Amino acid sequence: DTAVSQTPKYLVTQMGNDKSIKCEQNLGHDTMYWYKQDSKKFLKIMFSYNNKELIINETVPNRFSPKSPDKAHLNLHINSLELGDSAVYFCASSQDPDSTEAFFGQGTRLTVV
Amino acid sequence: KQEVTQIPAALSVPEGENLVLNCSFTDSAIYNLQWFRQDPGKGLTSLLLIQSSQREQTSGRLNASLDKSSGRSTLYIAASQPGDSATYLCAVLRRDDKLIFGTGTRLQVFP
Repeated sequence: DTAVSQTPKYLVTQMGNDKSIKCEQNLGHDTMYWYKQDSKKFLKIMFSYNNKELIINETVPNRFSPKSPDKAHLNLHINSLELGDSAVYFCASSQDPDSTEAFFGQGTRLTVV
Repeated sequence: KQEVTQIPAALSVPEGENLVLNCSFTDSAIYNLQWFRQDPGKGLTSLLLIQSSQREQTSGRLNASLDKSSGRSTLYIAASQPGDSATYLCAVLRRDDKLIFGTGTRLQVFP
């Protein structure tokens, strides 16, 4: 019973394609996040949703669009994939935006060829 | 702008040694600081969370301290084991609800 689960774990696709990464948490948390880990292992926040509402939107290309159908899900859609989008994407959740522990998914390794 | 730095970037030690990993951050206005472990090809595992009002947290062989005024945290690993080999990341939760990660310390414990 994984707390935060992402699918798929690996994704290899060609430039120009549109792809989605799904994330689900069964912790009853209000807040969910997407992070990108680049080749240097540096993790950067991309988006944060609290109760299905966007609260953090870092400077990412508008080809990236998060969608939260309910509190337990935060999916990431990426249009017109580029080589530079290759990275590991992590989903995470926390009880609320402040002062709580964050739980991470296992990551999705996206490779754009 | 909050910057989080971890030293050393890499560490290789024999089994049984006690270790100290360092994390420094530039802005002391944080809600909490968290230490994670990342294993190759796997996700992040939360190890310890220290609230801004706390000085330290302990879990098994791990002890994390927080000195907000100096912008530093240390993760102490007692009696290291080969299974401790991983990348260790610290992250601070800023007042604007953003979790800012350091670049990590890659630890290898050899038998």
